[in-house]
Amino acid sequence: GAVVSQHPSWVICKSGTSVKIECRSLDFQATTMFWYRQFPKQSLMLMATSNEGSKATYEQGVEKDKFLINHASLTLSTLTVTSAHPEDSSFYICSAWVSDRGPSPLHFGNGTRLTVT
Amino acid sequence: QKEVEQDPGPLSVPEGAIVSLNCTYSNSAFQYFMWYRQYSRKGPELLMYTYSSGNKEDGRFTAQVDKSSKYISLFIRDSQPSDSATYLCAMSRSGGGADGLTFGKGTHLIIQP
Repeated sequence: GAVVSQHPSWVICKSGTSVKIECRSLDFQATTMFWYRQFPKQSLMLMATSNEGSKATYEQGVEKDKFLINHASLTLSTLTVTSAHPEDSSFYICSAWVSDRGPSPLHFGNGTRLTVT
Repeated sequence: QKEVEQDPGPLSVPEGAIVSLNCTYSNSAFQYFMWYRQYSRKGPELLMYTYSSGNKEDGRFTAQVDKSSKYISLFIRDSQPSDSATYLCAMSRSGGGADGLTFGKGTHLIIQP
């Protein structure tokens, strides 16, 4: 159980365009989802916390107008990278928490590799 | 001082050896400790999840937590080439849901056939 599906697994886009990444919890409801970013040979850095039905909470230094997060249902959160630039190229990973089972670990999707040309 | 310190390696050991991976941390509020395995270009996969101090064993994997020393370990017995990956330690105050996780940088492990 606790499967998190992320789509697409990789995407290449031109500078100035927007890209949407989907994160779904397949077999559980996720009140909260987290979006991470990972550069090569670096650890995961939390970008934002996505809460179903309310605004996302962004970490310091993350532009909320650039990285739009929508958590419209208990099984889906989306991250839209707006007006992407080459420096946004990275590995984006979502994770979800099974919120109705008390303290429990985060489960991660397989990530989306974004390349902006 | 970073909240979580983890030697990035690479750590290279022969097949069949016992592997020891470690993290230290500074925030005494952390109560939940996790180890994730990450293969290249994939998301992290949960290996072990423990609460507070003590040991937990699952197959070839053993996780140890020493809160008094702020030190956690992951042991892998009878290591296999398929264990070659990056191992990330992670920890949280509330179990992961309320405040996300704080990660180490990850240790790159290579098991030589």
